[in-house]
Amino acid sequence: EAQVTQNPRYLITVTGKKLTVTCSQNMNHEYMSWYRQDPGLGLRQIYYSMNVEVTDKGDVPEGYKVSRKEKRNFPLILESPSPNQTSLYFCASSSRANYGYTFGSGTRLTVV
Amino acid sequence: TQLLEQSPQFLSIQEGENLTVYCNSSSVFSSLQWYRQEPGEGPVLLVTVVTGGEVKKLKRLTFQFGDARKDSSLHITAAQPGDTGLYLCAGGTTSGTYKYIFGTGTRLKVLA
Repeated sequence: EAQVTQNPRYLITVTGKKLTVTCSQNMNHEYMSWYRQDPGLGLRQIYYSMNVEVTDKGDVPEGYKVSRKEKRNFPLILESPSPNQTSLYFCASSSRANYGYTFGSGTRLTVV
Repeated sequence: TQLLEQSPQFLSIQEGENLTVYCNSSSVFSSLQWYRQEPGEGPVLLVTVVTGGEVKKLKRLTFQFGDARKDSSLHITAAQPGDTGLYLCAGGTTSGTYKYIFGTGTRLKVLA
C-alpha cells in the first residue's frame, strides 16, 4: 500500500531533550515536506526537500532541522524542544512539485 | 508572501443543502489543490486544478479554478453527514522556491 509513515504517533517530552520524528514513504517520491498544524494558525510548512541532500526552509523553520540522506526518509529533528513546539506534525510526499501531497497520519508532540 | 484565504471559516448546514467554499489569493498559482481532513488525521487530496477556468467534478463535489488562477471554489450538492470535515485549499508558490502553502481552512458540519 502506498503510504507515508510517521513515528511516533504520540510523544510527550521535556524541554531541551533532543528528539527525532521519523518519516518514510514507499512511493519513490522526490518531494517531501514537514508541516505543523496549530489551532487558529492552520498548516504551516517547516522544511521541504526536492531530492536527496536538497532541502530548504519553509515558513516556520526555527528550532527544527531535517536531513534527506535517502530518498524514502525525511526525519524531523528538534535539537532542544520548547513548549511552543507543542503541535500536531505532518510529513508529506509528492512525485511532482506543487501538484498535491500524500500525508502521513501525524505525530502529536507535547513538550512540557 | 503568497496567502490563501478561505471563506467561510465555519459552516453548519442541514443534510441535503448545497454549499460553496471559496479560496482566494492576490497571487497567481500554477495549480491549486483541495484536501479534506478528518480530526487527528492527515489531509487527503481530493483534486488538482491546473488551467484557468477549469471545472472538475468528484461525485457531488464540483471544483473550479478562476480564470486568472488566483482563486478557486468548491461546491457541494446535497450535502451529507459524511461530508463533515475540514476543507483546505493549497498551492505551490511561484516565487522560485518549492514552498507549498495551505489556505486557512473551512470547517464544515453537516447535520442529519
